[in-house]
Amino acid sequence: EAQVTQNPRYLITVTGKKLTVTCSQNMNHEYMSWYRQDPGLGLRQIYYSMNVEVTDKGDVPEGYKVSRKEKRNFPLILESPSPNQTSLYFCASSLGRTRRTDTQYFGPGTRLTVL
Amino acid sequence: QKEVEQNSGPLSVPEGAIASLNCTYSDRGSQSFFWYRQYSGKSPELIMFIYSNGDKEDGRFTAQLNKASQYVSLLIRDSQPSDSATYLCASQGGSSASKIIFGSGTRLSIRP
Repeated sequence: EAQVTQNPRYLITVTGKKLTVTCSQNMNHEYMSWYRQDPGLGLRQIYYSMNVEVTDKGDVPEGYKVSRKEKRNFPLILESPSPNQTSLYFCASSLGRTRRTDTQYFGPGTRLTVL
Repeated sequence: QKEVEQNSGPLSVPEGAIASLNCTYSDRGSQSFFWYRQYSGKSPELIMFIYSNGDKEDGRFTAQLNKASQYVSLLIRDSQPSDSATYLCASQGGSSASKIIFGSGTRLSIRP
């Protein structure tokens, strides 16, 4: 089954404790992206990657890191989480070759709480 | 000014009527526009995309794009209770070609 998976689905942590949210897709997609979703603010892009070893900042990259060492995986790293990073996070992927019609496929989401 | 703006709603529409959802964007370089539907607690899923001026129809859904007015809309005909969800408008291909900008979403409620 074609899908985007994220782990963990729920995480409660404390300020300053490094964490990684994994994202994996099995559709051979080139483009992968991380979003956070907050009430009233909609989906905001954190980072995106157009291919292996190619990443770029979205609208809200501060406090996050990403890497793309393999095509299928795009982990999101919070080196020193803070309470303002409490949010619902979505990973998404798409073919990336035809931008005008590039459909994003979203993972199930990770609900992160930073105390 | 937000780059992609939507009325947050809620928009309440009687069952069987036409629901009209609107979106404006500020970056004239934006090339493509997408409408996603998101049920509460779920991930967004694509309804349709549009990149040419005019109308595009897919079943009960019609997307409309007016680049001169920087305006995108989604019409849902014969609205059903299952259409109750948040609808997200997104643009791609603006000042940064690969960046995707989402609006904050419009909550639609179809009343029986």
